[in-house]
Amino acid sequence: KNQVEQSPQSLIILEGKNCTLQCNYTVSPFSNLRWYKQDTGRGPVSLTIMTFSENTKSNGRYTATLDADTKQSSLHITASQLSDSASYICVVIPQGTSYDKVIFGPGTSLSVIP
Amino acid sequence: DTGVSQDPRHKITKRGQNVTFRCDPISEHNRLYWYRQTLGQGPEFLTYFQNEAQLEKSRLLSDRFSAERPKGSFSTLEIQRTEQGDSAMYLCASSFRRTGQQETQYFGPGTRLLVL
Repeated sequence: KNQVEQSPQSLIILEGKNCTLQCNYTVSPFSNLRWYKQDTGRGPVSLTIMTFSENTKSNGRYTATLDADTKQSSLHITASQLSDSASYICVVIPQGTSYDKVIFGPGTSLSVIP
Repeated sequence: DTGVSQDPRHKITKRGQNVTFRCDPISEHNRLYWYRQTLGQGPEFLTYFQNEAQLEKSRLLSDRFSAERPKGSFSTLEIQRTEQGDSAMYLCASSFRRTGQQETQYFGPGTRLLVL
């Protein structure tokens, strides 16, 4: 069964610190992998989109990496800000899709405290 | 303009009642998607439209659920004979599909449904 797992489930960090969120997936082959940020009570917002052939993609203070061999992706946040507090969701889109097959991870809840 | 809007933002209903949600996508977007999200989980795909055509429906979408996009602009999602298990956030997203390019989905704020 295709799955997307994320770790940690939740994380608390001090403002200004860096952090890294992990995404492990079993989906293969896949078309692209995406990271979304979801504020409480809001819809997800796209941060990065990577195809299977890309290793890294940046969007401001957010940098996503992809290792297709180990089926792992990470999202690194530098110089965290209070507004980074949100849920971060990893999404894997299998090749040839069928949106029915798109798999959203459960998310990592990040809290940035002053 | 501004983004994808959804109405209502919150809905409380009694079990067995019908509810209808509306989604207004970003105006030039040709694709519209509905998702359901329960607490602590990622969104689950329900259905999507390209213009007015409903191209795909998830197996999660029972016969109590129906979605329409009659003029290829706004969409409605109706749930008939609601059950307590229908309680969730219902998210709408839209995108512009261009051949050969990755599409970015823009999500609305969601409609939170509580079935008592």
